[in-house]
Amino acid sequence: EVQLVESGGGLVQPGGSLRLSCAASGFTFSDHYMDWVRQAPGKGLEWVGRTRNKANSYSTEYAASVKGRFTISRDDSKNSLYLQMNSLKTEDTAVYYCARGRYCSSTTCYSPDTFDIWGQGTMVTVSS
Amino acid sequence: SYELTQPPSVSVSPGQTASITCSADKLGEKYACWYQQKPGQSPVLVIYEDTKRPSGIPERFSGSNSGNTATLTISGTQAMDEADYYCQAWDSSTAVFGGGTKLTVL
Repeated sequence: EVQLVESGGGLVQPGGSLRLSCAASGFTFSDHYMDWVRQAPGKGLEWVGRTRNKANSYSTEYAASVKGRFTISRDDSKNSLYLQMNSLKTEDTAVYYCARGRYCSSTTCYSPDTFDIWGQGTMVTVSS
Repeated sequence: SYELTQPPSVSVSPGQTASITCSADKLGEKYACWYQQKPGQSPVLVIYEDTKRPSGIPERFSGSNSGNTATLTISGTQAMDEADYYCQAWDSSTAVFGGGTKLTVL
């Protein structure tokens, strides 16, 4: 079964740090771009950022709202995705989802570029 | 920054057709996709590349995209389709979501 399971959420004070993890199973993790998407309580979806795969140099992209504070990384040997969040603000309070992105082989990336598998999410609360 | 605009809410009677729009400048030149999210659940992809349905998504879900507007259409809407729906597109290397539309089946 294709599955993504997030962990690491919790309560953190403003200015603090937190590291989220996402464990993947049931598919070849190393062949996919991986993304983080968040959802503040009662609000809509907001893309946080992405990491591409080894064939694309593990390059990353970030939303303007988190650039310089959040870092996305991955460990293909552990089928895991990470989100390091620093200098957290109250507005970062949200459920954080990891999502499977585009499939890319060693030579070619294939359509579509969508979020076709989502985890169950992990809640991050930034509050004093 | 690129913005996708959706109506906050749409209502439909059971068995009727629901249409949810997503608007942005030259959206028709990009691929649009749609996600369904029911309360307390994670989003589910229901339409990708404007018109395509992932396996397991009922045929009553369809999509279109032209000009400045992408549309999600649900034919023969069922009570189980009541949910929030989000459109999404890529602008350069950034994913953009619409604000979401709450579909009420009544």
